[in-house]
Amino acid sequence: ETGVTQSPTHLIKTRGQQVTLRCSSQSGHNTVSWYQQALGQGPQFIFQYYREEENGRGNFPPRFSGLQFPNYSSELNVNALELDDSALYLCASSLARAGRDTQYFGPGTRLTVL
Amino acid sequence: AQKVTQAQTEISVVEKEDVTLDCVYETRDTTYYLFWYKQPPSGELVFLIRRNSFDEQNEISGRYSWNFQKSTSSFNFTITASQVVDSAVYFCALSEPNYNTDKLIFGTGTRLQVFP
Repeated sequence: ETGVTQSPTHLIKTRGQQVTLRCSSQSGHNTVSWYQQALGQGPQFIFQYYREEENGRGNFPPRFSGLQFPNYSSELNVNALELDDSALYLCASSLARAGRDTQYFGPGTRLTVL
Repeated sequence: AQKVTQAQTEISVVEKEDVTLDCVYETRDTTYYLFWYKQPPSGELVFLIRRNSFDEQNEISGRYSWNFQKSTSSFNFTITASQVVDSAVYFCALSEPNYNTDKLIFGTGTRLQVFP
């Protein structure tokens, strides 16, 4: 069974640029959630995708957007990058939505915005 | 309001000591799930345990044990005979399935350092 994978591992961008982060869910999982973890903080929920539809969003502006594909992999896109977007971005997959299943996390993508 | 509080920012112990990590939660719902995750320096969050609100039985898994008390809204985690490999940041998290979005609400984490 393949776990959650994310790419790239690290990324450096400058203010104003756009970035796309990718996530492959664990085999058999149809739900993907994205979290932002600033240094020294707990992860904060960005949004979740279930069967290619957005299924809930945290307190993040519209420049954070996402997609889920038919194979349940997902992308997180961030436009007009700001310095505060520097963080570890974590993707998690689960078997079902609505909290009844455990979310399993990938290794994360560390984004640095200069 | 939904909230998870981990009041201990950092704990340092010497190998073989027992250590307890505290977690206090707030929720509007009677049905909810509580989790513990471990985050080693590599960054990946490693799932340790999930508990639902209707099961207050304490659980033991090897050197790890969890004490769930609804009366005090706490879900504490104890490591017995700690080892250097236990050094990591530990997060407690809450989810409420009745609100449709499967999000996890995390505490701010407790950094555990185990010295040889």
